[in-house]
Amino acid sequence: EAGVTQSPTHLIKTRGQQATLRCSPISGHTSVYWYQQALGLGLQFLLWYDEGEERNRGNFPPRFSGRQFPNYSSELNVNALELEDSALYLCASRETGGGYGYTFGSGTRLTVV
Amino acid sequence: DQQVKQNSPSLSVQEGRISILNCDYTNSMFDYFLWYKKYPAEGPTFLISISSIKDKNEDGRFTVFLNKSAKHLSLHIVPSQPGDSAVYFCAASPTGGFKTIFGAGTRLFVKA
Repeated sequence: EAGVTQSPTHLIKTRGQQATLRCSPISGHTSVYWYQQALGLGLQFLLWYDEGEERNRGNFPPRFSGRQFPNYSSELNVNALELEDSALYLCASRETGGGYGYTFGSGTRLTVV
Repeated sequence: DQQVKQNSPSLSVQEGRISILNCDYTNSMFDYFLWYKKYPAEGPTFLISISSIKDKNEDGRFTVFLNKSAKHLSLHIVPSQPGDSAVYFCAASPTGGFKTIFGAGTRLFVKA
């Protein structure tokens, strides 16, 4: 069984540009979560998608947005990139109504220069 | 406002000894607690969890203890092995697991 896959692995962008990060959940998982791991800050909750709808978002500005597609894959968009957006972005999936544990992908390392 | 706190950024332990990682939380609505382990260049992997109705859960070398009155949980690893060297994240979730909050992580070094 394929795990959660994220692409690209690394992404380098210039301040002010837009970044698009992609995530494919485990087959059968309908919930997708996005987390940001900035240096020394642990995993900060960004967004939760389930059945194609945004269910909850963390304390991030509106330039962080995303969507979930009919096949349950998801995309995270970050507009007007700032230097402090440099971080590891992790995607996780979970079955709807499943247990509390998430399965994480390996992440996308975003560097803003 | 950090709802889940891991106050020790790092911990160094000798192989074979016990590793104790600590975690504190502030939100009384949390009713499920988890530990994840993360190796470099990999995503976190689920390690062990505990429901708020229990005070201890054991899985092989790993035991999690929960003290609800103190809003404190700990992860014990006995005996510690060099392969346990990783970053450990404490996490907490309200009913349903819809929004899991993670701590900042503790880097464990197990010396051979």
